Amino acid sequence: NAGVTQTPKFRILKIGQSMTLQCTQDMNHNYMYWYRQDPGMGLKLIYYSVGAGITDKGEVPNGYNVSRSTTEDFPLRLELAAPSQTSVYFCASSYFMSLAGVYNEQFFGPGTRLTVL
Amino acid sequence: KNEVEQSPQNLTAQEGEFITINCSYSVGISALHWLQQHPGGGIVSLFMLSSGKKKHGRLIATINIQEKHSSLHITASHPRDSAVYICAVNTGNQFYFGTGTSLTVIP
Repeated sequence: NAGVTQTPKFRILKIGQSMTLQCTQDMNHNYMYWYRQDPGMGLKLIYYSVGAGITDKGEVPNGYNVSRSTTEDFPLRLELAAPSQTSVYFCASSYFMSLAGVYNEQFFGPGTRLTVL
Repeated sequence: KNEVEQSPQNLTAQEGEFITINCSYSVGISALHWLQQHPGGGIVSLFMLSSGKKKHGRLIATINIQEKHSSLHITASHPRDSAVYICAVNTGNQFYFGTGTSLTVIP
């Protein structure tokens, strides 16, 4: 199993450009997450998904969009990039069954380092 | 105010020392996680706790639900333990993270 994969690893964008960060997991996890990590700050949740077709906002969703058309893929779209979006982005997945209360650890991708100039 | 507070922010230890990192949280949780972030940036999950204590090798994690506090202990620390250790709490669908404790173990 590859686990959680993210592409690209690095990217430089100009202000106003758009891009999509790709995230794929092969563990059949129902939950997927996008985080950003700024220097000296904790990870902040941008968006999450509890299953295909279902997404919801996290703590810092402004300037981003997501979709979840399959269990495996959870792309993050940046429209009109701004310098404030310079950060390292992590995708993660986990398995969660609310009725049984079963949930497991999060598995993280390697991260995408994005710079907006 | 952050939902998750960690201390200390930075920690330097001599090889072989016993290390403790603390985490306090202010929200109701379904689980608490300890993560390790290596200098290269990769993040791995060390523990997931909802009560009591867990041990993996030289790492021990404890949680006190009533006091909303968790500790991560490293026994017989080694330079390869040098990393940032992050406490995170799971409140249903959402996760909140501490800012991390940067640990350096000197040979």
